[in-house]
Amino acid sequence: EVQLVESGGALVQPGRSLRLSCTASGFSFGDYAMSWVRQAPGKGLEWVGFIRGQAYGETTEYAASVKGRFTISTDDSKSIAYLQMNSLKTEDTAVYYCSRDNYYDSSGNYFPSASDVWGQGTTVIVSS
Amino acid sequence: EIVMTQSPATLSVSPGERATLSCRASQSVRSNLAWYQQKPGQAPRLLIYGASARATGVPARFSGSGSGTEFTLTISSLQSEDFVVYYCQQYDNWPPITFGQGTRLEIK
Repeated sequence: EVQLVESGGALVQPGRSLRLSCTASGFSFGDYAMSWVRQAPGKGLEWVGFIRGQAYGETTEYAASVKGRFTISTDDSKSIAYLQMNSLKTEDTAVYYCSRDNYYDSSGNYFPSASDVWGQGTTVIVSS
Repeated sequence: EIVMTQSPATLSVSPGERATLSCRASQSVRSNLAWYQQKPGQAPRLLIYGASARATGVPARFSGSGSGTEFTLTISSLQSEDFVVYYCQQYDNWPPITFGQGTRLEIK
């Protein structure tokens, strides 16, 4: 069974750091890009960023709201994607989801497609 | 940044009837659009990708159409479990990948 399980959510003070994990199973992890999407309480979905698969150098893209503070990485040997969150702000309070991204290749270039597998989410609360 | 606008914010429809949800992009996203369904307390579920292709396991009553800037999700013969929230997402022009604000489908 294809599955993603997030962990690491917590209550943390503003300015502190937190690392979320997304453990994958049931598919060849390194072949896919992985995204993080968040949802603030009572709000819609916000894309945080993604990391391309091994074939594309595991390069990353981020939303402007988190760029420079958040870092996405992977450990392909463990099939885990991470979201390192530094300098947390109250507005980072949300449920954080990881997802598996489909993609297509055109002339060796990576183009994202929709996210077909999602984890159950982990809750991050930033508050003093 | 491409802004995705969904309408209406809330749609009231009777069970068994048809629902039509709209999504408009601030500039062309070609057919690089997905629809997701989200039930309370759950993660989003992919319904449609490429504007009109149904994801694996999605019932045939869900269909997507459109290209460029105007898109539609149609749910024919609404079932009780369909009365939840739906999001569109563009992945044509990034970063950022952007979502609409969602449409809540409620029972009339």
